[in-house]
Amino acid sequence: GESVGLHLPTLSVQEGDNSIINCAYSNSASDYFIWYKQESGKGPQFIIDIRSNMDKRQGQRVTVLLNKTVKHLSLQIAATQPGDSAVYFCAEVSGNTPLVFGKGTRLSVIA
Amino acid sequence: DAGVIQSPRHEVTEMGQEVTLRCKPISGHNSLFWYRQTMMRGLELLIYFNNNVPIDDSGMPEDRFSAKMPNASFSTLKIQPSEPRDSAVYFCASSRDMNTEAFFGQGTRLTVV
Repeated sequence: GESVGLHLPTLSVQEGDNSIINCAYSNSASDYFIWYKQESGKGPQFIIDIRSNMDKRQGQRVTVLLNKTVKHLSLQIAATQPGDSAVYFCAEVSGNTPLVFGKGTRLSVIA
Repeated sequence: DAGVIQSPRHEVTEMGQEVTLRCKPISGHNSLFWYRQTMMRGLELLIYFNNNVPIDDSGMPEDRFSAKMPNASFSTLKIQPSEPRDSAVYFCASSRDMNTEAFFGQGTRLTVV
């Protein structure tokens, strides 16, 4: 799910299917993680968060999974809808340092 | 609450001119962040404040960039003189504390020609 250079990785999903967006975070000391959604022309919007003492958290149609052993975070979106099309960022926080963002993954929902 | 408010939404300026971007954080939030977003580099943290005090400005690209937070409800990011490579979307975000979720404004799209 992380991008390299100019191009964001893109995930194309059929409407109604489930989406899984992955993120590899960098700091083993990070203790708080957030997924953001950014639609075109807008700022990043909070979706769901998870602290390091948990490995799963569910919201409305979204689930975040945390695997601290391999420093991996995923966002699962159930029954993906056209309105879910956006760029998704994971962000990590360590102690009292600010959010560090990944490069993002573009989700494209095919109607 | 209206959320984080940034102005202007769009700014087009000529190289060499001074540019000032403005931000009103969410009331009650103690931390404020300035980010820059480009296709090449993604979201970069430029500087952040806690209780109106600048904590870390190591992300500010050059001395041409400066930021202030004179009070809890207002911050500015200034570029003087501006250059074409400063063209980007600049976001302001605020949070209750350093380690809670940040809420972003709509951003200022800056174009330096």
